[in-house]
Amino acid sequence: QIQLVQSGPELKKPGESVKISCKASGYTFTDYAMHWVKQAPGKGLKWMGWINTYTGKPTYADDFKGRFVFSLEASASTANLQISNLKNEDTATYFCAKEEEDNSYYFDYWGQGVMVTVSS
Amino acid sequence: DIVLTQSPALAVSLGQRATISCRASESVRSSMHWYQQKSGQQPKLLIYGASNLASGVPARFSGSGSGTDFTFTIDPVEADDIATYYCQQSRNDPFTFGSGTKLEIK
Repeated sequence: QIQLVQSGPELKKPGESVKISCKASGYTFTDYAMHWVKQAPGKGLKWMGWINTYTGKPTYADDFKGRFVFSLEASASTANLQISNLKNEDTATYFCAKEEEDNSYYFDYWGQGVMVTVSS
Repeated sequence: DIVLTQSPALAVSLGQRATISCRASESVRSSMHWYQQKSGQQPKLLIYGASNLASGVPARFSGSGSGTDFTFTIDPVEADDIATYYCQQSRNDPFTFGSGTKLEIK
């Protein structure tokens, strides 16, 4: 069965960096893109962008250009999200989501989310 | 960016029908999808392509619409359906989500 298992919660100080992972299993990792979605506490879902798991090419939504980096460890079927120079407003749960396509793109499987807390 | 507008909350009695709307600021054709998010959990895909039921999802859930106006229905509502429901479009980059509709039981 398809699973996306993300790394554990993180507590960081402003200015630090964090790297969270999303390990996929149950399907061919390089056949489907991986997306990242942010959810601030008590708020809705915000799409951050995606990474082509075949080529490794990332695409970022405008609000996530600069401090955010999507990367892969394809041999380990793992997608990573790194956030540098953390700010208080980065406090959120970050989800990875597997893309599926059937005339349009949607997210058929999600990771359990990683809570990142940024606090001095 | 395409803005998706959802009403913030809906209260429905058990066994009744719940209807949630999502209006897009421009046409997304049928590239509209619906997710359920229960408290403390990750979102779950329910409907894709406006009206297609995702695998394993009960037939109590359905979706309709195209262009700018979409409807998501639960009929009948069960206690386990308490959650926030999000619409999401993938017609244009950036993909966007609605603000979510919180389903409450009367």
